[in-house]
Amino acid sequence: AQSVTQLGSHVSVSEGALVLLRCNYSSSVPPYLFWYVQYPNQGLQLLLKYTSAATLVKGINGFEAEFKKSETSFHLTKPSAHMSDAAEYFCAVRQTGANNLFFGTGTRLTVIP
Amino acid sequence: NAGVTQTPKFRVLKTGQSMTLLCAQDMNHEYMYWYRQDPGMGLRLIHYSVGEGTTAKGEVPDGYNVSRLKKQNFLLGLESAAPSQTSVYFCASSFTGTATNIQYFGAGTRLSVL
Repeated sequence: AQSVTQLGSHVSVSEGALVLLRCNYSSSVPPYLFWYVQYPNQGLQLLLKYTSAATLVKGINGFEAEFKKSETSFHLTKPSAHMSDAAEYFCAVRQTGANNLFFGTGTRLTVIP
Repeated sequence: NAGVTQTPKFRVLKTGQSMTLLCAQDMNHEYMYWYRQDPGMGLRLIHYSVGEGTTAKGEVPDGYNVSRLKKQNFLLGLESAAPSQTSVYFCASSFTGTATNIQYFGAGTRLSVL
């Protein structure tokens, strides 16, 4: 069975500070991993995805994530938070042959001026 | 660029009423999905379709029916709404069903069942 755990339902950072959102996966085989962002009253947008090509994945808006097989993690980072980064972030996993994404419970990011 | 459009955006139902949520995509995608989003539970797949005329059950299909009569539309029906179906519903589509293919989401429908 595959699942995703996001540690911390709420994360607050100061503007300009490092953003770190944690995601750990449980999968019997190497998965494909995704980070989506949801701004208020909007649908989910893809930030980045890991497809086994490179362990460090760069996404939109300055975000990146590193796949660490030994830690079964795919944490999302951004060096300097901006007010516009305030949103909810979802980590998701999908395996070859599966028809759907399995989502984590989400992390709401607040950026403090 | 419309992408994935969901109607309506908001709806309030009484227990036992029925309704249909419409999802339309203009990207010529083969695959379409219906998810529900509940607090503290992330998104869960209700039903999905791998092409026109096909549907399949997802993780939480009970109480819902779907139809894909046209490639661009995917309808989600509630025949007899229950308070447990109060949720935010998201439709998504993807070009193929491969694991790496990106799913594009609509803006959601917020449904309250009283």
